[in-house]
Amino acid sequence: AQSVTQLDSQVPVFEEAPVELRCNYSSSVSVYLFWYVQYPNQGLQLLLKYLSGSTLVKGINGFEAEFNKSQTSFHLRKPSVHISDTAEYFCAVSEKTDKLIFGTGTRLQVFP
Amino acid sequence: KAGVTQTPRYLIKTRGQQVTLSCSPISGHRSVSWYQQTPGQGLQFLFEYFSETQRNKGNFPGRFSGRQFSNSRSEMNVSTLELGDSALYLCASSTPSGTVSYEQYFGPGTRLTVT
Repeated sequence: AQSVTQLDSQVPVFEEAPVELRCNYSSSVSVYLFWYVQYPNQGLQLLLKYLSGSTLVKGINGFEAEFNKSQTSFHLRKPSVHISDTAEYFCAVSEKTDKLIFGTGTRLQVFP
Repeated sequence: KAGVTQTPRYLIKTRGQQVTLSCSPISGHRSVSWYQQTPGQGLQFLFEYFSETQRNKGNFPGRFSGRQFSNSRSEMNVSTLELGDSALYLCASSTPSGTVSYEQYFGPGTRLTVT
């Protein structure tokens, strides 16, 4: 069965600093990987996705993630965060269907 | 292009009642998925409908059901509500007609409170 582990429940960081949000997954078959962001009282917005091809994926708002098959990881990075990046971030996996399995989320708190 | 819409946005029900939530997907999208989000269990997949047929189902009791109409709009129903059903229910749509896409677009959710 698939599972997703987000290793950090909260990540505090100062504005303009780099950040990495960690995600590891488990699956017996090949998967698609996603990162979503959720702002307070809103739904989920897709940041980026890995379906195939280049392992470095660039998304919206300056975020990028790298798929590492041997380490079964899909960590999210941003070189310089902004106050507006404060939100909950979810890593998700699918076995090439519309059924997404989500991690427990990482709360990114950006301080001025 | 309008996004995924969900109605109502907020709902308060009493234990034992039933509730119906509605979701209108993005125009042209044929797949609608439903998720439950709670502080304790996180985001959990309920079910997915494609062309009026349930294609995938999560591990929820039979009290949770859904359907999809010919215009791709979807409803989910929860019968005999329990306190633990209090959650944010999110709908997502994907799969524009003629393509295979696993990029899901989420609505703002319906916040259900069971008292």
